[in-house]
Amino acid sequence: AQKITQTQPGMFVQEKEAVTLDCTYDTSDPSYGLFWYKQPSSGEMIFLIYQGSYDQQNATEGRYSLNFQKARKSANLVISASQLGDSAMYFCAMNTGFQKLVFGTGTRLLVSP
Amino acid sequence: ETGVTQTPRHLVMGMTNKKSLKCEQHLGHNAMYWYKQSAKKPLELMFVYNFKEQTENNSVPSRFSPECPNSSHLFLHLHTLQPEDSALYLCASSTPGDNEQFFGPGTRLTVL
Repeated sequence: AQKITQTQPGMFVQEKEAVTLDCTYDTSDPSYGLFWYKQPSSGEMIFLIYQGSYDQQNATEGRYSLNFQKARKSANLVISASQLGDSAMYFCAMNTGFQKLVFGTGTRLLVSP
Repeated sequence: ETGVTQTPRHLVMGMTNKKSLKCEQHLGHNAMYWYKQSAKKPLELMFVYNFKEQTENNSVPSRFSPECPNSSHLFLHLHTLQPEDSALYLCASSTPGDNEQFFGPGTRLTVL
């Protein structure tokens, strides 16, 4: 069965520092996609970054990068130069079939001044 | 309005009530989704619609009844709910085949 594991319920980081949010996944499908979403207190899930299982390079989007280690089945999110507005829940997700997203339990990130 | 909107944002209902959640997307997408987010549990996919046709029902109890009258609107009709159905219900949309799903702000449902 497909599964996403996020072992960090909460993380703290100081403004302007970098932070890594962990995500491991389990699937037997050779083709899959990995996603990170941000959920502020307002509730909507905001797409951050995507990595395909066949992508050779790690995905980057501005201050977000995905550290993809296929052999270890990990897809950690790195946020560089944290900002106060980065405080939110962060969810790792995987799609293993057409349109089916499986989510982890999330990590709450708090950025302090 | 832009993106994906959901109404109401908050709903409190008794177990014998009938209510509906509404989702509208202004992105020109043809796929729409309902997700349930319970406290301390991962987001769960409930239903998927492609071009107004239901293509996925993730073993959802019949007290949840979705309706997709067109590609821009999605409803979730609720009746005889249980307290454990209290959750944040999120709607999303996408272009079929695209990786990214765009989410609405959700409806926070409380069943008394």
